[in-house]
Amino acid sequence: ELKVEQNPLFLSMQEGKNYTIYCNYSTTSDRLYWYRQDPGKSLESLFVLLSNGAVKQEGRLMASLDTKARLSTLHITAAVHDLSATYFCAVDYLNDYKLSFGAGTTVTVRA
Amino acid sequence: DADVTQTPRNRITKTGKRIMLECSQTKGHDRMYWYRQDPGLGLRLIYYSFDVKDINKGEISDGYSVSRQAQAKFSLSLESAIPNQTALYFCATSDFEGGDYGYTFGSGTRLTVV
Repeated sequence: ELKVEQNPLFLSMQEGKNYTIYCNYSTTSDRLYWYRQDPGKSLESLFVLLSNGAVKQEGRLMASLDTKARLSTLHITAAVHDLSATYFCAVDYLNDYKLSFGAGTTVTVRA
Repeated sequence: DADVTQTPRNRITKTGKRIMLECSQTKGHDRMYWYRQDPGLGLRLIYYSFDVKDINKGEISDGYSVSRQAQAKFSLSLESAIPNQTALYFCATSDFEGGDYGYTFGSGTRLTVV
């Protein structure tokens, strides 16, 4: 059974500082996804990571993947209020074309 | 119009009632999914369908059934709703787009069982 663990589950950020969210998964995966969800809203795709060493960046967010360690990180640079949301990682196991989700990390950015 | 449309957006129903949540998509994707979101648990897969004739149970299918009426339509039914089925339900589709394999989620249906 594929398990996906995120930490921390809650993250209070100070504006302007850097933070990292971690996503560990238990078995070999073909693809790893990061999503953002605003309260009561749908999931917005942020990144798809396919291979070991993959790194993608969009604005203040950067995601990386280490398939040997079964670890992905979502790094937030110089946090701003607009980044307050819940962030999910999800894994697609061996071309199953099904996503297994982590529990989510709720991010709050304070002044 | 949204690529993946869910109806209703909100629903309150009584214990024991049968209820259907509907999902339609305009993306032309064969693969469709129903997920349930509970606070602190992320999203969990209820059922999925890779084409009209292929329907499969996910990790939490008990108490639910589905119908794939067409490539574009995938409905989720709660045969006899119970309070612990109160949750936010998402429909999703998936396929290759722009070189990546991506998932598109609907806006969600918030279901309350009283």
